[in-house]
Amino acid sequence: AQKVTQAQTEISVVEKEDVTLDCVYETRDTTYYLFWYKQPPSGELVFLIRRNSFDEQNEISGRYSWNFQKSTSSFNFTITASQVVDSAVYFCALSVGNQGGKLIFGQGTELSVKP
Amino acid sequence: GAGVSQSPSNKVTEKGKDVELRCDPISGHTALYWYRQSLGQGLEFLIYFQGNSAPDKSGLPSDRFSAERTGGSVSTLTIQRTQQEDSAVYLCASSSTGGTEAFFGQGTRLTVV
Repeated sequence: AQKVTQAQTEISVVEKEDVTLDCVYETRDTTYYLFWYKQPPSGELVFLIRRNSFDEQNEISGRYSWNFQKSTSSFNFTITASQVVDSAVYFCALSVGNQGGKLIFGQGTELSVKP
Repeated sequence: GAGVSQSPSNKVTEKGKDVELRCDPISGHTALYWYRQSLGQGLEFLIYFQGNSAPDKSGLPSDRFSAERTGGSVSTLTIQRTQQEDSAVYLCASSSTGGTEAFFGQGTRLTVV
């Protein structure tokens, strides 16, 4: 069975702080994909990143970076110099095989960035 | 269209009534998904359509739930004899193939009173 765990339910930081959101996954499949989605107060889930199980290279996109480590089954997400607009619920998700949109979601981490 | 479109955005219904929720995927996307988001259960997969293949219904919580996709495009999720525990936000997503990232609509907030 597959499972995604986001142990941090809520995180509160002050603007310009760096923050890391943790994600741990479980699967027996060798081919799988990992995702991060952002859900702002408006409610729509916004795709941030997709990673396949064969590519452990870390990725940076502006203030966002992702650290994928198969050895610890983790796919952590770091926001550098956080901004108030980063306030949202962030979901980590897993899909296996060729079913990219059939996602197993973690419970989400609510990030609050205060000015 | 530019994005996944869902209608209605809000629906209030009486317990026991049937409801239909509609999803218009991104044009050209072959895969379509329905999810449910509720406070107690988080985000749950419901059903997945991929091209002309038989849908993956493994996430439907009961036989009161059904979905169809006509012409490989628009999808309708139907809940029969609604119960209060069906109250949730129902999210639709589509992707260009089964193996790529899914893009979500704004959701339909269903309230059963």
